[in-house]
Amino acid sequence: DTGVSQNPRHKITKRGQNVTFRCDPISEHNRLYWYRQTLGQGPEFLTYFQNEAQLEKSRLLSDRFSAERPKGSFSTLEIQRTEQGDSAMYLCASSPPDSFSGNTIYFGEGSWLTVV
Amino acid sequence: AQKVTQAQTEISVVEKEDVTLDCVYETRDTTYYLFWYKQPPSGELVFLIRRNSFDEQNEISGRYSWNFQKSTSSFNFTITASQVVDSAVYFCALKGAGGSNYKLTFGKGTLLTVNP
Repeated sequence: DTGVSQNPRHKITKRGQNVTFRCDPISEHNRLYWYRQTLGQGPEFLTYFQNEAQLEKSRLLSDRFSAERPKGSFSTLEIQRTEQGDSAMYLCASSPPDSFSGNTIYFGEGSWLTVV
Repeated sequence: AQKVTQAQTEISVVEKEDVTLDCVYETRDTTYYLFWYKQPPSGELVFLIRRNSFDEQNEISGRYSWNFQKSTSSFNFTITASQVVDSAVYFCALKGAGGSNYKLTFGKGTLLTVNP
């Protein structure tokens, strides 16, 4: 039983470059989430997918950010024209079908982004 | 709006001491879910417990125990006989059962250091 898998785990990029992170959720989890965490803070919600549909986007997700989940399986988070303020850990999470709304959300190990 | 407050930024104890991590929450939802996650230096958020708002029974799991008090909107976490491996950042989180039932709201976390 594998957990949520994210890659790359670490990425250093120059300002202005594009980066893409991939997330593979737990098998049979139809809900997938992206969160962002900066040093000394708790994770903040970015976006949410139910199957392949992106149902919610936080206002934290500027136009430079785009997330996809083709076929409702893995997901990618792309950041275009990176800025130093994008430096953070990007966490992916998944949860099972909504038998009740209190389902636990399971997180991956995160992808650290450093923009220099 | 939902809010989670973890007033303790850092706690340092000596091994075998008991330690309590505080969590206070705010929500307008009548049904909601509370969580604790552990984040070791590797970065992964490890799920520890989920508590439903309609179940105020306290829970014990090995050296871990949780005290949920609806009257004071608190969900405190106690580690008994702490060990060095307990050193991590601990996050309390809240999820509603209303329109935003997919989104976790996190506190800022408490860094626990257990010294040998």
